[in-house]
Amino acid sequence: DAGITQSPRHKVTETGTPVTLRCHQTENHRYMYWYRQDPGHGLRLIHYSYGVKDTDKGEVSDGYSVSRSKTEDFLLTLESATSSQTSVYFCAISQQGTETQYFGPGTRLLVL
Amino acid sequence: RKEVEQDPGPFNVPEGATVAFNCTYSNSASQSFFWYRQDCRKEPKLLMSVYSSGNEDGRFTAQLNRASQYISLLIRDSKLSDSATYLCVVNNRTVGGGADGLTFGKGTHLIIQP
Repeated sequence: DAGITQSPRHKVTETGTPVTLRCHQTENHRYMYWYRQDPGHGLRLIHYSYGVKDTDKGEVSDGYSVSRSKTEDFLLTLESATSSQTSVYFCAISQQGTETQYFGPGTRLLVL
Repeated sequence: RKEVEQDPGPFNVPEGATVAFNCTYSNSASQSFFWYRQDCRKEPKLLMSVYSSGNEDGRFTAQLNRASQYISLLIRDSKLSDSATYLCVVNNRTVGGGADGLTFGKGTHLIIQP
């Protein structure tokens, strides 16, 4: 399995609070991604990174920000969590020039 | 919007049977295709890439039909451990496009019954 970890694995928070999810990889892959997965929807891309300090928006980026200060870490921040952000969040990585993505174990977030 | 459509199932199949399901995609310019497997409450894992000539990996065969814009997955001699959700994934990257070109289907739920 690809060396990808996510933390925390589970989190319960209240509406309006900030939340930061962490993705850590040991594969030295250039690309990192954050997705959310909800019932009735496929995986939807929130943000992605193509290098240190290089990030871009995905399909559902509103209400989320990201940062990548090191190759191995990609952080997803919910500035002010809302109940609609209750979801399972997956981090993924891919090598430069390839499209196969490898996923982390996911973080289950519940916003009350 | 670039869509990937799958029959959500569930497909209930007896152990040892052969099962096939399809996925259709809307963007004729799609470049590459994949099947991922996702177990309940787990992350998606790459099952196989899908090549134009079709490809086989053990009991699994993937086919691509560009003219009709669909991808298929065939599982022979199904095992109980094949029970999972199978995600069809299409790369819609445009020329010069970025890394956000993958579009995921919602998945087909497969249940292998003893």
